[in-house]
Amino acid sequence: AQTVTQSQPEMSVQEAETVTLSCTYDTSESNYYLFWYKQPPSRQMILVIRQEAYKQQNATENRFSVNFQKAAKSFSLKISDSQLGDTAMYFCAFRYGGSQGNLIFGKGTKLSVKP
Amino acid sequence: EPEVTQTPSHQVTQMGQEVILRCVPISNHLYFYWYRQILGQKVEFLVSFYNNEISEKSEIFDDQFSVERPDGSNFTLKIRSTKLEDSAMYFCASSTTGFYGYTFGSGTRLTVV
Repeated sequence: AQTVTQSQPEMSVQEAETVTLSCTYDTSESNYYLFWYKQPPSRQMILVIRQEAYKQQNATENRFSVNFQKAAKSFSLKISDSQLGDTAMYFCAFRYGGSQGNLIFGKGTKLSVKP
Repeated sequence: EPEVTQTPSHQVTQMGQEVILRCVPISNHLYFYWYRQILGQKVEFLVSFYNNEISEKSEIFDDQFSVERPDGSNFTLKIRSTKLEDSAMYFCASSTTGFYGYTFGSGTRLTVV
């Protein structure tokens, strides 16, 4: 069974600094997708960034980028120029390939951005 | 930006009562999901729905739970006889295909007393 592990329950960063959130996963599949979701205090789940396992190039979305290491089964999220609005829970999620399928979430990392 | 809409945002119910949580997925999406998040814990998959039938369900989704898409727009989750441990945030989500991830609704906070 697939599992997703986020080893950092809480992290903090100063505004404008860079922070990296860790995520590892375990699967025997070769075709899958990986995601990072943000959950602010409002508790809505917001998609931050996504990565297809067959793509070697790391995904980037503005200040958010990933370091995808397929062999190591690692999918870390880097947030550059951290802003106060980045304060949230961040969940790493795995989904195997195909047209549908459920997301498997990690336990989350609570990120606090300090002024 | 299209949204997934969930109602109500917060519901309080007596233990043993039936509740229906409602969701309006994005109109051109084909796959629909319910997830739940017990306070302070991770988000857990409940059920997926495609082509008017359940395509996958978790161990959590027992006989007390049911889903339906009664009118082609709404997607509902029914809990027949609520228990205290059903208290959680329930998220509806929809998607076109897997890569694009899901769009989640804002959630319904269910409190069973």
